[in-house]
Amino acid sequence: SQQGEEDPQALSIQEGENATMNCSYKTSINNLQWYRQNSGRGLVHLILIRSNEREKHSGRLRVTLDTSKKSSSLLITASRAADTASYFCATVIYNQGGKLIFGQGTELSVKP
Amino acid sequence: KAGVTQTPRYLIKTRGQQVTLSCSPISGHRSVSWYQQTPGQGLQFLFEYFSETQRNKGNFPGRFSGRQFSNSRSEMNVSTLELGDSALYLCASSRGQGSAEQYFGPGTRLTVT
Repeated sequence: SQQGEEDPQALSIQEGENATMNCSYKTSINNLQWYRQNSGRGLVHLILIRSNEREKHSGRLRVTLDTSKKSSSLLITASRAADTASYFCATVIYNQGGKLIFGQGTELSVKP
Repeated sequence: KAGVTQTPRYLIKTRGQQVTLSCSPISGHRSVSWYQQTPGQGLQFLFEYFSETQRNKGNFPGRFSGRQFSNSRSEMNVSTLELGDSALYLCASSRGQGSAEQYFGPGTRLTVT
């Protein structure tokens, strides 16, 4: 079964608006990663946040991690049409090497 | 630096046949992982190789197997194909530090008829 659940499953916004996606997971993690996928292609790594970190920024991306609630959120500010894609959170569990356990993803549509 | 490459990109096979997919990691990366993506099950981990050794295995039947060569290139094989094996198969490489970020290839789209 999937480790993570993402919410919402789909999100439609206008260009310039912010997009927030949430991810919940079940077991203790080493780190949590966010990936983007365009139209059934390969995944692109966006950001990695370690279990001892609470917030991380990368350009227009902001990720938070709350290990007490076993949840994370990805915020994309000032969205662009090019941000239209599916976004997945993936967790890495202690002592399981590099195995990524993915959530079901959030499908983001940014309308120009 | 060249990215992860996967061959072939598209494949059509018949039930009962077998298939071999190939993955070349980013130069210097020693870890290769494989994932299966389907609309129903999402992204599921198949296996992970590091320095020619399988380090981790997902919950897939024995029909799914893989290996890694000394140059870090990896192959996965699926024998006795079933319709449900139709999926996008993604390969990812990383430096091999266990929990580092992974870099994905474009995938191989396998259709089983």
